[in-house]
Amino acid sequence: GENVEQHPSTLSVQEGDSAVIKCTYSDSASNYFPWYKQELGKRPQLIIDIRSNVGEKKDQRIAVTLNKTAKHFSLHITETQPEDSAVYFCAASRIPTFGRGTSLIVHP
Amino acid sequence: EAQVTQNPRYLITVTGKKLTVTCSQNMNHEYMSWYRQDPGLGLRQIYYSMNVEVTDKGDVPEGYKVSRKEKRNFPLILESPSPNQTSLYFCASSSGSPHHEQFFGPGTRLTVL
Repeated sequence: GENVEQHPSTLSVQEGDSAVIKCTYSDSASNYFPWYKQELGKRPQLIIDIRSNVGEKKDQRIAVTLNKTAKHFSLHITETQPEDSAVYFCAASRIPTFGRGTSLIVHP
Repeated sequence: EAQVTQNPRYLITVTGKKLTVTCSQNMNHEYMSWYRQDPGLGLRQIYYSMNVEVTDKGDVPEGYKVSRKEKRNFPLILESPSPNQTSLYFCASSSGSPHHEQFFGPGTRLTVL
């Protein structure tokens, strides 16, 4: 089955800095790569996704890049704000397998 | 309002006492799944269903059962709960296939004593 590795497990940044979270996957047949944000005590919610026929996708301060050859994809958050503090999960494969999550802390 | 609901939201039970966690969605989604979330382990899939009467094991199916008799409902059954099933459980659904946004329920926090 699919194996998804996510790094780092914790990321602490100052407000206004950029944050990057990286994921690798093992199944070359995977073709859908979503990112979910989970605020404390809440349910995960999709923030951005990318499909294998696209290399990059942006939505305001959030972007995702995909390198199918190297089997890795990354989430980029620019101009971080305290409300970006949450746990972020990547996922991959036809039946989504999630990474273990990254706790992002944005200090005011 | 489009949503996924789960009940109960919190449950404390004892080892061996059968329980069911219900999940219902009103979005006419074909795909539904169950996850458990444990600290440091992320979201691990228990079972999923591509449509009515079609279910399949995820990564951690041991000790769980599911059924999909109707499109909107996907209950999770623990026939004989054990303490290692203490966890936060999420139900999710998506339209067409898992290659679309999954909508998660609010979660069920289960404690097995």
